[in-house]
Amino acid sequence: GAGVSQSPSNKVTEKGKDVELRCDPISGHTALYWYRQSLGQGLEFLIYFQGNSAPDKSGLPSDRFSAERTGESVSTLTIQRTQQEDSAVYLCASSFNLADQPQHFGDGTRLSIL
Amino acid sequence: QKEVEQDPGPLSVPEGAIVSLNCTYSNSAFQYFMWYRQYSRKGPELLMYTYSSGNKEDGRFTAQVDKSSKYISLFIRDSQPSDSATYLCAMSNAGSARQLTFGSGTQLTVLP
Repeated sequence: GAGVSQSPSNKVTEKGKDVELRCDPISGHTALYWYRQSLGQGLEFLIYFQGNSAPDKSGLPSDRFSAERTGESVSTLTIQRTQQEDSAVYLCASSFNLADQPQHFGDGTRLSIL
Repeated sequence: QKEVEQDPGPLSVPEGAIVSLNCTYSNSAFQYFMWYRQYSRKGPELLMYTYSSGNKEDGRFTAQVDKSSKYISLFIRDSQPSDSATYLCAMSNAGSARQLTFGSGTQLTVLP
């Protein structure tokens, strides 16, 4: 597609449930990034992938968060045992590669935990 | 103190005005500087991307970077109601991971 695509656009779930958020990057972009945007914290970096590899997972808020990428394309961010503080907009971005390339964002998944 | 400081506004200007948006930062390792525009319920849209100090112009938009003062600006000329949005500055260093550090965003309204 022309841009970064994220699904679902909205997700409402009960506390304690697991959720999966999907990101389709721009075709040919080898680098992929996940961010979280919330009212109190602004935009915060979570994790990046170069190809299918995520060298640094230290930005993930807790061990309930995990992410994977396959085929140097689609990425999934999984949140297990969701908590109310996980409510936020989860944004995905991609760039041609890690070096000297700007990041282009999708419209995000708006996650609400009841 | 946050690494990147940005006045949240809100900023309201009449149509046709020149708008000045600014960010300051504390990390001298930042070398890449970006401005994003974000409409409500949409993702950030890249407006300007610059490396190191200097000016860059694109249509009605001009980005300025002053690394000696750790200060960046975005100027919007002949502002339009369609420019009403939240403007986010973002920065990264030249390390192996282009982790962006964002300002908190400035909410701009251009009144017709």
